[in-house]
Amino acid sequence: KAGVTQTPRYLIKTRGQQVTLSCSPISGHRSVSWYQQTPGQGLQFLFEYFSETQRNKGNFPGRFSGRQFSNSRSEMNVSTLELGDSALYLCASSSLLKRGRAQETQYFGPGTRLLVL
Amino acid sequence: SQELEQSPQSLIVQEGKNLTINCTSSKTLYGLYWYKQKYGEGLIFLMMLQKGGEEKSHEKITAKLDEKKQQSSLHITASQPSHAGIYLCGADIITDSNYQLIWGAGTKLIIKP
Repeated sequence: KAGVTQTPRYLIKTRGQQVTLSCSPISGHRSVSWYQQTPGQGLQFLFEYFSETQRNKGNFPGRFSGRQFSNSRSEMNVSTLELGDSALYLCASSSLLKRGRAQETQYFGPGTRLLVL
Repeated sequence: SQELEQSPQSLIVQEGKNLTINCTSSKTLYGLYWYKQKYGEGLIFLMMLQKGGEEKSHEKITAKLDEKKQQSSLHITASQPSHAGIYLCGADIITDSNYQLIWGAGTKLIIKP
């Protein structure tokens, strides 16, 4: 099975611009989660989508949004970019229906490194 | 303070030596995951532990879950340069009746030749 893919891998933007990142999950996985990773804050949860619905959301401003398509592919969008948005954005997929006592491993993509100038 | 504490934050180990990384939760654990990350890349899944006392091994890496202590340890035997990277633990916990996946800050491992 192909792994999680993310495009683009690298991106340079300027403040005030917007950006869209894409994630294709492992075939058959319907849950997609997005994370922001920075040296200072570590891995921060952005949101999770399942069957085109946002199921969970982290503590990020409304400039960060996402969506999931019927084929489970997901996109996240950041509008009005700020310098602090420079980070590695990671996408992870799993087949988990609902997080509960039955755990399910998340598989991560290689990430998109975003640099905001 | 972090709900999932990893220690140490960083580690420099002579090649061939053994090492241990710990991951301790302040909440009840239902599942514990270990991942490895090379700088600037995605997380590679190592193993998942679910039950107290469970121990899993993959090549020279062994992880154990101590449910009583709400802690997991990752042990690497006879370290090699390929073991260098950042090790992250993730845990399934319950907060306000909701299951949540939380993450440690990571342990940076450097292997000295």
